Amino acid sequence: GDSVTQMEGPVTLSEEAFLTINCTYTATGYPSLFWYVQYPGEGLQLLLKATKADDKGSNKGFEATYRKETTSFHLEKGSVQVSDSAVYFCALSDRGGTYKYIFGTGTRLKVLA
Amino acid sequence: GAVVSQHPSRVICKSGTSVKIECRSLDFQATTMFWYRQFPKQSLMLMATSNEGSKATYEQGVEKDKFLINHASLTLSTLTVTSAHPEDSSFYICSATPGDTQYFGPGTRLTVL
Repeated sequence: GDSVTQMEGPVTLSEEAFLTINCTYTATGYPSLFWYVQYPGEGLQLLLKATKADDKGSNKGFEATYRKETTSFHLEKGSVQVSDSAVYFCALSDRGGTYKYIFGTGTRLKVLA
Repeated sequence: GAVVSQHPSRVICKSGTSVKIECRSLDFQATTMFWYRQFPKQSLMLMATSNEGSKATYEQGVEKDKFLINHASLTLSTLTVTSAHPEDSSFYICSATPGDTQYFGPGTRLTVL
């Protein structure tokens, strides 16, 4: 079945460092791909998404490109801030009509001042 | 846009009582709503999928008689935890989708004493 694999955390960075969180997927069809962010005690917020190969999603300085050839959707940010500390989830959407997601395990990011 | 609310945000109840959690899409009509459960420092576990006017589809291992879901309209779904026990204590998150992208509520922290 479909699956999403995320790099294990926690990831600890200094402020202004470059961030990469790896996400790879397996899917039988052509899924949409998403990154969500969860702050402590809150629900998930959509960070960015891409719906087809070579699409680049971007928001708040974060970017991810849908790479069909490597089945990847890595999240990047050029300069992290303390306020970026959160848990990041990669997900794919089943396009079979159910709109169900397959989530990765989540990656905890801690940014130090 | 695409705001989903949940109520209550936090509830404490006694063992054996029932608790109802509401999930509303505030600015769009949701063809489908989802209910998740999240354990500390873990990813989200899908409990059930609900479509307006039809019975919810439960994931394997989720007791449908314990977790009652009613999707009364295109903007409202409710989850009732019946005869709650301490092991039902958890963070419950709903999401709603107009199609493909899920928008998440802020979550409800349930504590059963």
